[in-house]
Amino acid sequence: AQKVTQAQTEISVVEKEDVTLDCVYETRDTTYYLFWYKQPPSGELVFLIRRNSFDEQNEISGRYSWNFQKSTSSFNFTITASQVVDSAVYFCALSEAGGGATNKLIFGTGTLLAVQP
Amino acid sequence: DGGITQSPKYLFRKEGQNVTLSCEQNLNHDAMYWYRQDPGQGLRLIYYSQIVNDFQKGDIAEGYSVSREKKESFPLTVTSAQKNPTAFYLCASTPFSGRAGYNEQFFGPGTRLTVL
Repeated sequence: AQKVTQAQTEISVVEKEDVTLDCVYETRDTTYYLFWYKQPPSGELVFLIRRNSFDEQNEISGRYSWNFQKSTSSFNFTITASQVVDSAVYFCALSEAGGGATNKLIFGTGTLLAVQP
Repeated sequence: DGGITQSPKYLFRKEGQNVTLSCEQNLNHDAMYWYRQDPGQGLRLIYYSQIVNDFQKGDIAEGYSVSREKKESFPLTVTSAQKNPTAFYLCASTPFSGRAGYNEQFFGPGTRLTVL
């Protein structure tokens, strides 16, 4: 069975601190995709990044970076020098890419990040 | 501007009433999805549709119904059989590509349903 676990329910940091959001996944598929989404207080989910199972290169986009480690089934997200605008719920998600895949996403329960000024 | 619209933003329903949530997209996406979000439970899939006139149950379809008569529209009806309908409902869509599972889903702004 496929599963995504985000063990951190809530994290509170002070502005300019670095923060890492953890994501651990389970799947029997050898080909899959991992995603991170941000949900600001307005409610709409915003896509941040996609990573496929064959690409373990870390990625950096401005203050955001992602660390994908297949050996530990983890896909962690780090925000460097956090800002108040980073306050949101962050979701990690998994999709199948094998035969018969339906483009369904399996979501973790989300991590609420609160950045205090 | 292309995107997904959901209406209404807030909806109040009396117990025992059916209510329909609207979801429209002008992105020409093939697949559409309905999720329910409850505090601490993340997003759970209710129904999804990959093509017009076809849809499949997700993980929590009981008490809900959908239709997909047009590519751009995927309304969700919350029936009186749904025991605990108060929640935040999100609609999403995604195009098909040559790579299954590759495309990210695009989300609407959501509808917050409260049963009085």
